[in-house]
Amino acid sequence: DQQVKQNSPSLSVQEGRISILNCDYTNSMFDYFLWYKKYPAEGPTFLISISSIKDKNEDGRFTVFLNKSAKHLSLHIVPSQPGDSAVYFCAASNAGNNRKLIWGLGTSLAVNP
Amino acid sequence: EPEVTQTPSHQVTQMGQEVILRCVPISNHLYFYWYRQILGQKVEFLVSFYNNEISEKSEIFDDQFSVERPDGSNFTLKIRSTKLEDSAMYFCASSPALGTKKETQYFGPGTRLLVL
Repeated sequence: DQQVKQNSPSLSVQEGRISILNCDYTNSMFDYFLWYKKYPAEGPTFLISISSIKDKNEDGRFTVFLNKSAKHLSLHIVPSQPGDSAVYFCAASNAGNNRKLIWGLGTSLAVNP
Repeated sequence: EPEVTQTPSHQVTQMGQEVILRCVPISNHLYFYWYRQILGQKVEFLVSFYNNEISEKSEIFDDQFSVERPDGSNFTLKIRSTKLEDSAMYFCASSPALGTKKETQYFGPGTRLLVL
């Protein structure tokens, strides 16, 4: 099942710079996309989401961009901080399937001081 | 801030034994979910639960699995006869029925299940 793909398993960024995490999807029925952050031995923590009727959503240092024609979304973190170092998961759902989340494999972000 | 809690944090069991994983969802949420993540693999949906019944289940959620909301606060996942391949991290999640965040699922810290 490759409906949601995060092709970069890891990313390393300098503190203060921008982190860009990417996610691709194949199912055009998805209408809601979420980013979660996960530390080792903890559960996923909700970060930010976007509805398919929008192309951008911003919350503080976090912005999610959605390109429906390309079936691509990205999470921008600016400025990046060492505390942002974690695994970031992209997930997608649609109202027709009881909102079950389909997940990517995650991208491990390391923000270096 | 309200959060989803799960117990136990770790469970070690022998193959063939029954396990019950417990979750307390956020109190005003009405949708409940179980997911699991086998080490190195994707997080996988197991089951969703609303209005005291299963609303959807995955092909993983076979007859060995069951869910229950025995009272107004707990939500449990039972595995009747565990197999080695059930070893995974199990996450409970809940979401509200209404409001701007109704599509957002909030997750507990997980239960790490090891089947020997």
